[in-house]
Amino acid sequence: GIQVEQSPPDLILQEGANSTLRCNFSDSVNNLQWFHQNPWGQLINLFYIPSGTKQNGRLSATTVATERYSLLYISSSQTTDSGVYFCAVDSSGSRLTFGEGTQLTVNP
Amino acid sequence: GAGVSQTPSNKVTEKGKYVELRCDPISGHTALYWYRQSLGQGPEFLIYFQGTGAADDSGLPNDRFFAVRPEGSVSTLKIQRTERGDSAVYLCASSSRPRSLAFFGQGTRLTVV
Repeated sequence: GIQVEQSPPDLILQEGANSTLRCNFSDSVNNLQWFHQNPWGQLINLFYIPSGTKQNGRLSATTVATERYSLLYISSSQTTDSGVYFCAVDSSGSRLTFGEGTQLTVNP
Repeated sequence: GAGVSQTPSNKVTEKGKYVELRCDPISGHTALYWYRQSLGQGPEFLIYFQGTGAADDSGLPNDRFFAVRPEGSVSTLKIQRTERGDSAVYLCASSSRPRSLAFFGQGTRLTVV
């Protein structure tokens, strides 16, 4: 099956800093989503982005499908951005395969 | 409802018992998915429904696990003869169609003692 690798596994930032999270995948995909899992375990949709670039406030994402990677940018980070960020891809049309996640901690 | 709803939020059961976990998807969503998440890991796929039928059940770990969606809306994940290794958070997601944005419920934390 498709493999998904996320980096870095852990990231610690000071409030106000910017960061880039990366997701590499091993096959062509027809669905790619970024999620934020908050400390209560809820998975929150950030982007549906199988290709191209999208922005939503302080967050933006770019997927280069031909090179099989996606990037999530967080600008001016806030403590509420803390949590685990997951990239998930679908190549079969029936399931999302998740990476191991990036654990982000934003300190005040 | 406005989002995907899962009940119960927490379930503690004894080894060997039978459990049922319920998922109410977003109204009108035809695709429904079950995932399982262990501590420190990403969610792992269990089963996918399109309408009433299980279109892909290849993620179910063994025949103790079974899921139904009889009317194409609510789904129930059933686990027989629970084992301690079944302890995890069970997540349900729905989408309006395959390959589109998936919305997740808050999960059911299952603990087998």
